Amino acid sequence: KQEVTQIPAALSVPEGENLVLNCSFTDSAIYNLQWFRQDPGKGLTSLLLIQSSQREQTSGRLNASLDKSSGRSTLYIAASQPGDSATYLCAVEPGNTGKLIFGQGTTLQVKP
Amino acid sequence: EADIYQTPRYLVIGTGKKITLECSQTMGHDKMYWYQQDPGMELHLIHYSYGVNSTEKGDLSSESTVSRIRTEHFPLTLESARPSHTSQYLCASSVYTNEQFFGPGTRLTVL
Repeated sequence: KQEVTQIPAALSVPEGENLVLNCSFTDSAIYNLQWFRQDPGKGLTSLLLIQSSQREQTSGRLNASLDKSSGRSTLYIAASQPGDSATYLCAVEPGNTGKLIFGQGTTLQVKP
Repeated sequence: EADIYQTPRYLVIGTGKKITLECSQTMGHDKMYWYQQDPGMELHLIHYSYGVNSTEKGDLSSESTVSRIRTEHFPLTLESARPSHTSQYLCASSVYTNEQFFGPGTRLTVL
């Protein structure tokens, strides 16, 4: 059974720091991996989608990498800002079904 | 990015009432999903649909039911609400790459 783990559960950094959020999954046979952001009491905002054939994706200050063989993905946030404070969720799609399995998320606080 | 809407955003209701949570999207996506999220916990898939007249149960057992009569509409119904149904319900739809886009969610409280 596929399981997704995100470490750390919470992270607090000063503004301007570069940081890395980690996601690991137990079964390397995934179709794609998606990173989301969730603000308190809100829905999810899609940040990046990495398909199984890709190694990384970039959007602005965000860069996500995927290493299927080791069952790992990282989300790199450059020059963090207070507005980046949110919970970041990683989700894997085991097959071409659209069914996502989520990690519990990393709650990020960026202090001014 | 998809435009996906959920109503109501917040609902407080008594035990035993029938409720329907609405979800609609304007992008013509075939695939739609319902997730349940308890506070501080991960999301779990409870229902999904690959198109009109197609509905399947997700990985987390749920007493709710869904219907998909129109492509843009995917409502979720609880016939008799109970306190154990208190949770946040999130609707999503996906494009051909399976990238999912979420609505703002409905926070349900059953007293």
